Order: sequence, then C-alpha cells, then structure tokens
Amino acid sequence: DTEVTQTPKHLVMGMTNKKSLKCEQHMGHRAMYWYKQKAKKPPELMFVYSYEKLSINESVPSRFSPECPNSSLLNLHLHALQPEDSALYLCASSQARRDFEQFFGPGTRLTVL
Amino acid sequence: GENVEQHPSTLSVQEGDSAVIKCTYSDSASNYFPWYKQELGKGPQLIIDIRSNVGEKKDQRIAVTLNKTAKHFSLHITETQPEDSAVYFCAAAGQKVTFGTGTKLQVIP
Repeated sequence: DTEVTQTPKHLVMGMTNKKSLKCEQHMGHRAMYWYKQKAKKPPELMFVYSYEKLSINESVPSRFSPECPNSSLLNLHLHALQPEDSALYLCASSQARRDFEQFFGPGTRLTVL
Repeated sequence: GENVEQHPSTLSVQEGDSAVIKCTYSDSASNYFPWYKQELGKGPQLIIDIRSNVGEKKDQRIAVTLNKTAKHFSLHITETQPEDSAVYFCAAAGQKVTFGTGTKLQVIP
C-alpha cells in the first residue's frame, strides 16, 4: 500500500468552529508532514513529525495544532481560523525525516468563512 | 535558507513534442532533487528524483539532469501526451524540502 489518505476531502468552517483534518498512511513511514498550499503556489511546510514527535514547526500560528497519535496517523486540529487560512492542506510521509522521498495525500480543501 | 527558482512558469507544447523545465538552487548542501506532478484537485505526485552523486536519470519518457557545479537541474519530457498536462514542481532538499514556484504544462492535442 503506497497511499496516503486524507479526510475530509472538503471542509467549510466558520471562524469560531473547531474542526480536525486527518491523515493516514500504512507504508511504515516514520516521518509525516503537514503542508499548506495556496492556489497557484507551491506547498509550504507547516509541521514535521519524526517517530511520532514534533520535529519541526515552521512558525505556524497556534490556531493550527498538530497531533500524531501513532505512527500511521496524523491530525491537524483547527480553531479560530481566519479567511486567509483557506487553502489546500496536504499531508505527506517519508521513510524517515532525512529521507526526503515524500508521498503526498490528495489534500483537504479548506474554506474558512 | 534554500531558494529554488523554476522556469518557465507556463509552457505550451504540441502533442509529441518535448518539454523542458529548468530549476536552480542556492544551497550547495542540497543533495536530493525530486520532481512532482500535480494534477488539478490532487496532491503532488513524485515522478522522478535525482541525488547529488548522479548527473542524469531516465524513466521512460522522463529524464532529469543535474549540474552540481552550476546548481542547475532540469526535467525533460519527450513525446508529450495530453495526460502530461499538469503543474510540475521541482524541489531541492538538504535540511528540508524547498519547492520551486511551479510550471503549468499544457500539451495541445
């Protein structure tokens, strides 16, 4: 299984809502990533987890809260988002943090009203 | 930090022609150079990669070349087909992956 899955596919939320994005991989990868992608732009790294521990936080606002419950799952908890946070949120995984051969999921299209 | 420049930003070719996308990077410590294809509404898909100890790599109609001295690397797609139409991102990795700005490739039937 060489697939990274993400749910939901689309999400619309108000600025006062709390929601979560989910990501799952069953490739035995020990590094997982969250990226944010705005239209017509490249993905921007948000967080890196290595062996279920947060390894990199690219100065992301605290309204985004990542969680790695186990080696196969990665969550991104959202609270009090702003309209400018609307974007495609991509999850990726790799064998290890220093192995940059990353496999991406299809993304969650987030709209903040 | 690493800076990756990618050209052109858009590219239109006739079906069957070749397409070339070029990237430059700034950090000499970068040692891994992947290329991603992103179709509309989908996540990026790794299509080919090259490591710094290799000058060229080929996979069917796709090839990548790397010039470490000049800090250039390029993607070559031969015999293009309409399904090659997508946005292509180059990237350079040393401490982390840094993406180029993307090239929208349109293959005209």
